[in-house]
Amino acid sequence: DAEITQSPRHKITETGRQVTLACHQTWNHNNMFWYRQDLGHGLRLIHYSYGVQDTNKGEVSDGYSVSRSNTEDLPLTLESAASSQTSVYFCASSDGNEQFFGPGTRLTVL
Amino acid sequence: GENVEQHPSTLSVQEGDSAVIKCTYSDSASNYFPWYKQELGKRPQLIIDIRSNVGEKKDQRIAVTLNKTAKHFSLHITETQPEDSAVYFCAAGRNYQLIWGAGTKLIIKP
Repeated sequence: DAEITQSPRHKITETGRQVTLACHQTWNHNNMFWYRQDLGHGLRLIHYSYGVQDTNKGEVSDGYSVSRSNTEDLPLTLESAASSQTSVYFCASSDGNEQFFGPGTRLTVL
Repeated sequence: GENVEQHPSTLSVQEGDSAVIKCTYSDSASNYFPWYKQELGKRPQLIIDIRSNVGEKKDQRIAVTLNKTAKHFSLHITETQPEDSAVYFCAAGRNYQLIWGAGTKLIIKP
């Protein structure tokens, strides 16, 4: 069955380290999104992509980057992790309006 | 920037009663309004959505209403059951992007 996966599911890192979160979907969706979820803030868009080689900044993109070299993957990189980036990160994909979410990655920055 | 306000942040209802969650959006160009349910520790999942050319949509015990003039939409859950306990998110979107409300924690009292 087609699906969307994220890895790792849990990650603890130290301030200043570079961290990459993986997102992989097998639906062949063109659109992919990264969100962070914090209590009281709902889901906030970090970056999104409408296809290969296309990337766009969302409302909270500072300190994050993405690249889209193929349809299936949109890795999210934290260039220099900060304690404020401790959060749950969700990847999502769509080929229309409905977005399908991955299981999430809980990231702790110490 | 554009935003979506969601109320209440917590809603406690007796099992069998109805629950109503309300959202207001700011971007008048929004044309897609989904509602997602997120159970504890799980990913958000779409439960119902509505487009701007429709005023109301119903699916069994859940319904969504949209007032484009007031830029307001609501989720109605009738005959609530224990499995309805979750956090519910509204969103407003266009061009495949979504702006999310902060979420409503729905508690069903036995």
